[in-house]
Amino acid sequence: AQSVTQPDIHITVSEGASLELRCNYSYGATPYLFWYVQSPGQGLQLLLKYFSGDTLVQGIKGFEAEFKRSQSSFNLRKPSVHWSDAAEYFCAVGSGGSYIPTFGRGTSLIVHP
Amino acid sequence: DGGITQSPKYLFRKEGQNVTLSCEQNLNHDAMYWYRQDPGQGLRLIYYSQIVNDFQKGDIAEGYSVSREKKESFPLTVTSAQKNPTAFYLCASSTNRDRGSGYTFGSGTRLTVV
Repeated sequence: AQSVTQPDIHITVSEGASLELRCNYSYGATPYLFWYVQSPGQGLQLLLKYFSGDTLVQGIKGFEAEFKRSQSSFNLRKPSVHWSDAAEYFCAVGSGGSYIPTFGRGTSLIVHP
Repeated sequence: DGGITQSPKYLFRKEGQNVTLSCEQNLNHDAMYWYRQDPGQGLRLIYYSQIVNDFQKGDIAEGYSVSREKKESFPLTVTSAQKNPTAFYLCASSTNRDRGSGYTFGSGTRLTVV
């Protein structure tokens, strides 16, 4: 069965600093990988996704993620964080045989001015 | 613009009552999903439907029921059998033609038992 781990429950960064949110997955074949963002009291919005091709994926809001098969990771990065990036971030992994991705428990990003 | 509409945004339920959460999409998506979100637990799948008139239980279906009579609509009923219904409920949809396309989510319904 597929699984996804987000090791960090909370991450605190200063505005303008770089950001990396970690995501590790467990699945034998090449998975579908997603990052979503959730602002308080809102639904989730898709930031970016990966299935095949270039392992560095660009998304919306200036985010990118890199798929590393050898490390079973799909970490989310942003070179310079803005206060508006404060939110909950979810990594999700799906398989070719299932429409249903598995979501991580989320990482809460706190941005200090 | 296409999207998913969940209503109401806030809902209060008395003990022993059934309540129904609405989810409507105009994205022409085949599949629809209901998730429950509790603090620190991420998203847990309640029910999903890949085509009209068919649906499957997710990981935490007990105490919930759904119907899928129209492609656009996937209402969720929280029954009195659900012992701890206070949570944030999210509806999502996706196309079956591209499994890697990801979900579109609604803005959620916060249900509180009073």
